Amino acid sequence: EVQLVESGGGLVQPGGSLRLSCAASGFAFSNYWMRWVRQAPGKGLVWVSHINGDGSNTDYADSVKGRFTISRDNAKETVHLQMNSLRDEDTAVYYCVLRGLGDFDFWGQGTLVTVSS
Amino acid sequence: SPELTQPPSVSVSPGQTARISCSGEALAERYAYWYQQRPGQAPVLVIFKDNERPSGIPERFSGSSSGTIVTLTISGVQAEDEADYYCQSADRNDPSWVFGGGTKLTV
Repeated sequence: EVQLVESGGGLVQPGGSLRLSCAASGFAFSNYWMRWVRQAPGKGLVWVSHINGDGSNTDYADSVKGRFTISRDNAKETVHLQMNSLRDEDTAVYYCVLRGLGDFDFWGQGTLVTVSS
Repeated sequence: SPELTQPPSVSVSPGQTARISCSGEALAERYAYWYQQRPGQAPVLVIFKDNERPSGIPERFSGSSSGTIVTLTISGVQAEDEADYYCQSADRNDPSWVFGGGTKLTV
């Protein structure tokens, strides 16, 4: 059974940092791209970042480029999102997402990040 | 980056057919995916690659594509279908994702 469990969310002041983690299980982790998608309160889904299987290919939404860094540890089957210089507008539920071929599509339960003074 | 446009809301009575559109130039060359999201829950894939239905998704959910517009159709809408629906595009040559703004389906 595929499981994606996010952690690391919480309350942080503007300008601060957080590191989100997503622990994966139930599939061949190193074979798959992993993504982070966020959803601000009452708003829609927004793609944040992705990373390929061996970590050599990453990309970011313009709104987070230069502030967020995605990485993965295939030995620990974990993907991370390091978030620096956080802003009020980064407040959101952050989802870890796996998509493979066909309907192989899984989302974690999400972790809430609140940026506020 | 490509943009996807959805109507903010669609309202239907139980048993009727709901159609939710999603438009964007990228859709002419990219597959569309549709997600259902109920309050407080993570999104669930209901249509992939324009018109394919995942296992476990009721047959009343279907998808279609024509040029730069894709449509999610829910036939014989049930009360449990009330949710937010998001279209999303992706392409094998560009793994970056983009989502539509979401459509609130009221039954």
